[in-house]
Amino acid sequence: EVQLVQSGAEVKKPGESLKISCKGSGYSFTSYWIGWVRQMPGKGLEWMGIIYPGDSDTRYSPSFQGQVTISADKSISTAYLQWSSLKASDTAMYYCARLFDLRIGFDPWGQGTLVTVSS
Amino acid sequence: DIQLTQSPSFLSASVGDRVTITCRASQGISSYLAWYQQKPGKAPKLLIYAASTLQSGVPSRFSGSGSGTEFTLTISSLQPEDFATYYCQQLNSYLYTFGQGTKLEIK
Repeated sequence: EVQLVQSGAEVKKPGESLKISCKGSGYSFTSYWIGWVRQMPGKGLEWMGIIYPGDSDTRYSPSFQGQVTISADKSISTAYLQWSSLKASDTAMYYCARLFDLRIGFDPWGQGTLVTVSS
Repeated sequence: DIQLTQSPSFLSASVGDRVTITCRASQGISSYLAWYQQKPGKAPKLLIYAASTLQSGVPSRFSGSGSGTEFTLTISSLQPEDFATYYCQQLNSYLYTFGQGTKLEIK
């Protein structure tokens, strides 16, 4: 079974750093792009960026370029999303998802990681 | 950037109804459009890709159509488990934008 399992919920203070993870299993992790999607409380889905674990080629949404860093460690089939200095406005649910094909869509999705940033 | 506009944003319907949700793109995206379903507290689920291809395991009451700039998602006979929020997503360019969502509620 193809599965993405994300790390657990986080509570952080403004200015702190954070790295959340997404571990893939049941498929060739290096052969599919992995994407990250933000969902702020009560709001819609926002595409943040994608990474190809095979060669770490990474593409960002202009809205998130410079705000986050997407990376991957193919040796442990894990993708990451990290912040160097969190803001309260980063409070959201973050999903990772496998890009089944560049022109098809994201499937499957991880269960989500809730990040809460509050002083 | 390609913008996607869904209509309506909210839809109230009854079990057994036929409903249609529209997604309009700000520029042509061929057939590179996907539809997702999201239930409260859950991750989105891919329903349809390439505008009209049903993802494996998705009930046949769901269908998609369109190309270019206008797309539709139709549910032929609403079931209780279909009440959720639906999103379209364009995959014409790697800036994989989503529509703002359509919340389908029970009347």
